[in-house]
Amino acid sequence: DTGVSQNPRHKITKRGQNVTFRCDPISEHNRLYWYRQTLGQGPEFLTYFQNEAQLEKSRLLSDRFSAERPKGSFSTLEIQRTEQGDSAMYLCASSFGGQFFGPGTRLTVL
Amino acid sequence: DAKTTQPNSMESNEEEPVHLPCNHSTISGTDYIHWYRQLPSQGPEYVIHGLTSNVNNRMASLAIAEDRKSSTLILHRATLRDAAVYYCILAHGGSNYKLTFGKGTLLTVNP
Repeated sequence: DTGVSQNPRHKITKRGQNVTFRCDPISEHNRLYWYRQTLGQGPEFLTYFQNEAQLEKSRLLSDRFSAERPKGSFSTLEIQRTEQGDSAMYLCASSFGGQFFGPGTRLTVL
Repeated sequence: DAKTTQPNSMESNEEEPVHLPCNHSTISGTDYIHWYRQLPSQGPEYVIHGLTSNVNNRMASLAIAEDRKSSTLILHRATLRDAAVYYCILAHGGSNYKLTFGKGTLLTVNP
């Protein structure tokens, strides 16, 4: 499968815990995006990488959120001290033109 | 970001054409019109995009009004697998175009 993959697909955690998600983009795609989607809403942009450089961050990305893309390949999104409001689907997309989305990681914070 | 307006929902019958409208009256000259769709429990999927001229691909056709203030996504023969939320999105040209999704149109396809 040469599509965008995300792990884990589901994560249940308790409030206050830290979580980390991984995104493996389509190889050779130099742009990588993170979005968040809550029920009944369209995805919301969080942040964007061009190779290893994080070029833009949304105001939605509070200080508890951090994203990295070492070596310009896979990316990780970490949420520290999770809150119930962080419960959502976290989507990753890579592009070399049109954006190709992964299946997402569904986070539930209890 | 320029906004788009889409109907909340539409219904179609299987094997009939579907015309999904989108209004974008504040579109700027450098905005491309993108369409994505999202099937249940999946990430969004690219459908088609265009700037000024009508576009066709294996999935759909995109008809863009002459003044570019509206566009229509055309599915020529709807199938049950086309049931999804369809998003019309404006994105600046150039190398970086984050996508600003609205609520989209929920398309129901009846057998």
